[in-house]
Amino acid sequence: SQQGEEDPQALSIQEGENATMNCSYKTSINNLQWYRQNSGRGLVHLILIRSNEREKHSGRLRVTLDTSKKSSSLLITASRAADTASYFCATAVRAQKLVFGQGTRLTINP
Amino acid sequence: EPEVTQTPSHQVTQMGQEVILRCVPISNHLYFYWYRQILGQKVEFLVSFYNNEISEKSEIFDDQFSVERPDGSNFTLKIRSTKLEDSAMYFCASSVSGRAETQYFGPGTRLLVL
Repeated sequence: SQQGEEDPQALSIQEGENATMNCSYKTSINNLQWYRQNSGRGLVHLILIRSNEREKHSGRLRVTLDTSKKSSSLLITASRAADTASYFCATAVRAQKLVFGQGTRLTINP
Repeated sequence: EPEVTQTPSHQVTQMGQEVILRCVPISNHLYFYWYRQILGQKVEFLVSFYNNEISEKSEIFDDQFSVERPDGSNFTLKIRSTKLEDSAMYFCASSVSGRAETQYFGPGTRLLVL
């Protein structure tokens, strides 16, 4: 069994559309974090949502967390070409270790 | 804005050689981490470090790996005798505290073992 699995594995949309990515996990968590990775580059932290929070916004990003379903979603509104990247959820099970999912490859077509 | 830096950005080495990957965490952070990402695979946790000692390590982090904070700013990962399967992108990260706070990642070192 895997902790932190994203769905879909790949997503291709037109610029201006909204992109939704989902993450499921299996164990109780302290928080869940979303990261972006441009091809072959480092991980950029996007947003952290704590286990007692249900929704969080940051600019064009909206993250939800449903601890009863052990799932989270990341919504990017009004997508831009620069949003093309891989997006990972990472769960903090204990204080320090982050467990990453396989990621969703998002492509924004002009 | 403060950021985690890593050197070198790329490293090519022969199997069996020792490599040292270097990281400078964000200056007021107290917790430091190493992760790796084999090409096309997930980012995997290797080790966390606090107060000059390892606080947690994964099964990947065997006797061939070691970490050190040799001075007040650097944090290093040493692989004693590299194997082909050590080829990966290695990421350093740091956080203010270990209590489920945001971890900030460096740009990574791409290690290729031949």
